[in-house]
Amino acid sequence: RKEVEQDPGPFNVPEGATVAFNCTYSNSASQSFFWYRQDCRKEPKLLMSVYSSGNEDGRFTAQLNRASQYISLLIRDSKLSDSATYLCVVNRNRGSTLGRLYFGRGTQLTVWP
Amino acid sequence: DGGITQSPKYLFRKEGQNVTLSCEQNLNHDAMYWYRQDPGQGLRLIYYSQIVNDFQKGDIAEGYSVSREKKESFPLTVTSAQKNPTAFYLCASSMGGSSVNQPQHFGDGTRLSIL
Repeated sequence: RKEVEQDPGPFNVPEGATVAFNCTYSNSASQSFFWYRQDCRKEPKLLMSVYSSGNEDGRFTAQLNRASQYISLLIRDSKLSDSATYLCVVNRNRGSTLGRLYFGRGTQLTVWP
Repeated sequence: DGGITQSPKYLFRKEGQNVTLSCEQNLNHDAMYWYRQDPGQGLRLIYYSQIVNDFQKGDIAEGYSVSREKKESFPLTVTSAQKNPTAFYLCASSMGGSSVNQPQHFGDGTRLSIL
């Protein structure tokens, strides 16, 4: 089973729509969680960290459910510039050694005018 | 300004040739990473390094080698043993240490193709 699973999409939504992406992770020892954004043929860029209590950054809201091992990203009032691939990322330490990130394959979003 | 610099942006490899991809960071980060991304695929970890003179294999290390002689630098060599090297290679760094909540920051990548 993969460490991180995401619906690959694509999601095609009109400007102004609200869209939600989901992600599940397989290892309950996972300790920190992120959403990255990747534009076509570019490097991934950190969108936001995901905290246990849920967190919001402008139009973006991230939620974490540790019991269900589930992470979500909600985008409100979609803009054309939100078109990108959204990567769900999980970090898991191994004892005293530095952990590593596990990346989902990404969910593709296209916002149309 | 601080960041991660990868070079070259595009690289072509001949059959049987080793090539080296450069990654330099001035963020004073302890940890550095190399990933490979194929079209429509997620990132796969090749090698990572927590501190100078130390590195570990990731999930797909075969056909690759690295060194970490300086904190700022983590070059990746794609050897002739890597039979399918065409991909987008991404270098990343993070603060490392004991804190778990450390995101990684990426360079803008190197696209490697076979001639």
